[in-house]
Amino acid sequence: AQSVTQPDIHITVSEGASLELRCNYSYGATPYLFWYVQSPGQGLQLLLKYFSGDTLVQGIKGFEAEFKRSQSSFNLRKPSVHWSDAAEYFCAVGKNYGGSQGNLIFGKGTKLSVKP
Amino acid sequence: NAGVTQTPKFQVLKTGQSMTLQCAQDMNHEYMSWYRQDPGMGLRLIHYSVGAGITDQGEVPNGYNVSRSTTEDFPLRLLSAAPSQTSVYFCASSYSKGTGNFYGYTFGSGTRLTVV
Repeated sequence: AQSVTQPDIHITVSEGASLELRCNYSYGATPYLFWYVQSPGQGLQLLLKYFSGDTLVQGIKGFEAEFKRSQSSFNLRKPSVHWSDAAEYFCAVGKNYGGSQGNLIFGKGTKLSVKP
Repeated sequence: NAGVTQTPKFQVLKTGQSMTLQCAQDMNHEYMSWYRQDPGMGLRLIHYSVGAGITDQGEVPNGYNVSRSTTEDFPLRLLSAAPSQTSVYFCASSYSKGTGNFYGYTFGSGTRLTVV
C-alpha cells in the first residue's frame, strides 16, 4: 500500500519569505501526487498534481512542486509567501492504475503560519 | 453547477444510533470517496467508488457502509454510532480522461458529526 509522510507538523515563515513544505511518499511505482490546501473551517482545495512527464509542476496561487523519484519526494514551494497563505497543507499519493486510482492517501498535514 | 454537496452540515448522535450522511455531485464524476478528518491525523479514507455499483474499502472502513446505485450519489451509513466516530466527514468526487489519469478529488464542505 502507498503511504505519505509530511515531516513538519507546523511551520512559521515571515510574509515575503520563501516556503518549502516537505512530502515523502512510499509506493512501488510512479505514483500520482497531489497537494491540497485547507483554510480553517473549510474544505480542501487542490493546488497542483503530478502524473508523469515534467517533474516541476505549476499550480494555483503561485505554488509549484517538484517530483524527485530518487528521493521519493514531492515538495511544495512558493517564492514569496502572503499572509493569506496561512492554512494547512496536505500531500496525497495515489496509485496510477485501474480502479485503485480512487484510493488516495493523505499525509497528516503541515500547518503554515505567516508572520507579518 | 453545485459541485459536491454534503448534508447535513452538523449532526449530533447518541451512541448506538444509526444515520446516513448524504453526498451528491453534479459533475458526472466516476470516482467518489468518503474521508474522515481528525486533529493531527490528516484525512483517512473510509470507502471509495470507481463507478455506479462498485465500491471498495479504504484505510478505516469499520463501522461504515456505502453503496453507489447512481453516478451522482454516494451515501455513507453509520450502522451503530460510537464516540470514536466523532469527526468531520468529507465526501469527494473526481474523474479521469484520456489515458486514464486520475485528476484528483474535489471536496465537499464537510459534515461535522458528534457522537455522545
